[in-house]
Amino acid sequence: SQTIHQWPATLVQPVGSPLSLECTVEGTSNPNLYWYRQAAGRGLQLLFYSVGIGQISSEVPQNLSASRPQDRQFILSSKKLLLSDSGFYLCAWNSRVEKLFFGSGTQLSVL
Amino acid sequence: ELKVEQNPLFLSMQEGKNYTIYCNYSTTSDRLYWYRQDPGKSLESLFVLLSNGAVKQEGRLMASLDTKARLSTLHITAAVHDLSATYFCAVHPDYGGSQGNLIFGKGTKLSVKP
Repeated sequence: SQTIHQWPATLVQPVGSPLSLECTVEGTSNPNLYWYRQAAGRGLQLLFYSVGIGQISSEVPQNLSASRPQDRQFILSSKKLLLSDSGFYLCAWNSRVEKLFFGSGTQLSVL
Repeated sequence: ELKVEQNPLFLSMQEGKNYTIYCNYSTTSDRLYWYRQDPGKSLESLFVLLSNGAVKQEGRLMASLDTKARLSTLHITAAVHDLSATYFCAVHPDYGGSQGNLIFGKGTKLSVKP
């Protein structure tokens, strides 16, 4: 069966510091991978998606970037965090038109 | 631009009562999802609705889709405390984009009280 791992679970970072969140998927090949952000009390916003190694599409302009160095690995990064980057970050995967399967999430607080 | 509106945003129910959450969307869509989120947790998929008139049920929850009205409902029957959570609907627009480019509603926070 397929599983998705996301870490860390919580992160507190000062403004201006770098960020690296990692997500890996097991039990499937060539998944579509996604990073979503959920601001407090709001719905989810798609940040990045990837349909293959090295292929990244950005849905919104922002202070963040994403990379897919391996088929089942998706990384969310920032060189300098802003206060507005705080939120709950969720990695997700699917195959073709299937429903999305979400990771356990990372609660990021930028202080 | 596709907009997804849920109502109500907050719902306090007594155990044993019935209620319906509504999800309206503004443009054509080829599928609609309902997700559940417990506080501080990830999203759990509840239903995927793919066609007009689709109805799916699991336990005390039943979801339906009317693509002509651009409306989906999530009906709760005889609510129990374990159903307390935030429920999101999400829509994939017909105009394409990635398969995961779902537009989410703001969520309905459900609290079931004894």
